[in-house]
Amino acid sequence: QKEVEQNSGPLSVPEGAIASLNCTYSDRVSQSFFWYRQYSGKSPELIMSIYSNGDKEDGRFTAQLNKASQYVSLLIRDSQPSDSATYLCAVNIGTDTGGFKTIFGAGTRLFVKA
Amino acid sequence: EAQVTQNPRYLITVTGKKLTVTCSQNMNHEYMSWYRQDPGLGLRQIYYSMNVEVTDKGDVPEGYKVSRKEKRNFPLILESPSPNQTSLYFCASSFAGRRSGANVLTFGAGSRLTVL
Repeated sequence: QKEVEQNSGPLSVPEGAIASLNCTYSDRVSQSFFWYRQYSGKSPELIMSIYSNGDKEDGRFTAQLNKASQYVSLLIRDSQPSDSATYLCAVNIGTDTGGFKTIFGAGTRLFVKA
Repeated sequence: EAQVTQNPRYLITVTGKKLTVTCSQNMNHEYMSWYRQDPGLGLRQIYYSMNVEVTDKGDVPEGYKVSRKEKRNFPLILESPSPNQTSLYFCASSFAGRRSGANVLTFGAGSRLTVL
């Protein structure tokens, strides 16, 4: 089982709709979770971080975390064509040496149709 | 401007010719990491470093070396490149620990490497 799993998509939604992106992770003690957006040919950039169970909202974006189910999601409300990108779920996993490493899912490609 | 700088951005080389991809950050971040990105496989971690002189293997370290002699620099070394190391490489950095914004990665612009 991969440490962080996402549906690769593509996910296609019409402009103005809600896009729902999902991610599951395998490490039960993970404490930090992130969503990054990557436009084609560009580097990833942070959209949301979430550290505790529940919802976290920032503008049109809502991250949801359920540690018991090892599940994190990203909702994009009022989707715009400019939201078309690959969305990467990332999880921090503790290491035996007391540090951490950030593991990414393979990403979900989102297309927002005008 | 706070940033992570990678060089070169593009490189075409031949099998076996040693090369180094440099990475430098100006944010005083403790944590630095190298990833490779391949179609359908997402970002896979090669090596990471929690601080100066502290490095550890990620998920795909074979064929790569790193060093962290200074806090700001984290070069990626390919001693004998092979065609399967053709990829897009990203360097990233972050604060470590529990401060606000910790563990949020800032990425470099990427280095596209082709090994013939």
